[in-house]
Amino acid sequence: QSVLTQPPSVSAAPGQRVTISCSGSSSNIENNYVSWYQQLPGTAPKVLIYEDNKRPSEIPDRFSGSKLGTSATLGITGLQAGDEADYYCATWDSTLYGVVFGGGTHLAVL
Amino acid sequence: EVHLVESGGGLVQPGGSLRLSCAASGFTFRTYSMNWVRQAPGKGLEWLSYISGGSSTIYYADSLKGRFTISRDNDKNSLYLQMNSLRAEDTALYFCARNDVNYFGYWGQGTLVTVSS
Repeated sequence: QSVLTQPPSVSAAPGQRVTISCSGSSSNIENNYVSWYQQLPGTAPKVLIYEDNKRPSEIPDRFSGSKLGTSATLGITGLQAGDEADYYCATWDSTLYGVVFGGGTHLAVL
Repeated sequence: EVHLVESGGGLVQPGGSLRLSCAASGFTFRTYSMNWVRQAPGKGLEWLSYISGGSSTIYYADSLKGRFTISRDNDKNSLYLQMNSLRAEDTALYFCARNDVNYFGYWGQGTLVTVSS
């Protein structure tokens, strides 16, 4: 059971928009920065979003992040087949004194 | 270009020990905090440990219960994870990851640890 709760899977058609939620608490998401990672099959995770809503320069603006209270959301627009991957949220937990990950969400591009 | 290369994984019997290494290049290693993260087969990511650039600050996940020790050698640009009293549930792909202030900016490709008799 992960400290951060993500839906196990989401799906959408190419070109569509999808959102992935990450639910936590006041000891993690509400008071600490959230980052999001994409893990393509057989590869290491890669950061998509950091500090709630910032994108590394190499990440296209189809990917966005937002946060409200104890929940964070990753948004992906203009879905492509290459976006099919597992997505994870992560943040610091001030009670556990460590980094916590969500359980991961598999995105299927139908 | 930043490179992180893990090594030291393999097959070990329950109760055994293993030392993982992570060789870093392409950046000033001593100025960055580092982490170990693992992923059991077919499962999600689990953060294990953090070490600051000068080794003065170290954190561990509660689940490790003192069995693992993180360390680094800045002269060798290397990060280590000493794992003792290994259990079947420690079977996983172990990643090292660079800490870029509030996120994991770079990851290695991982080294596989299998705990089995």
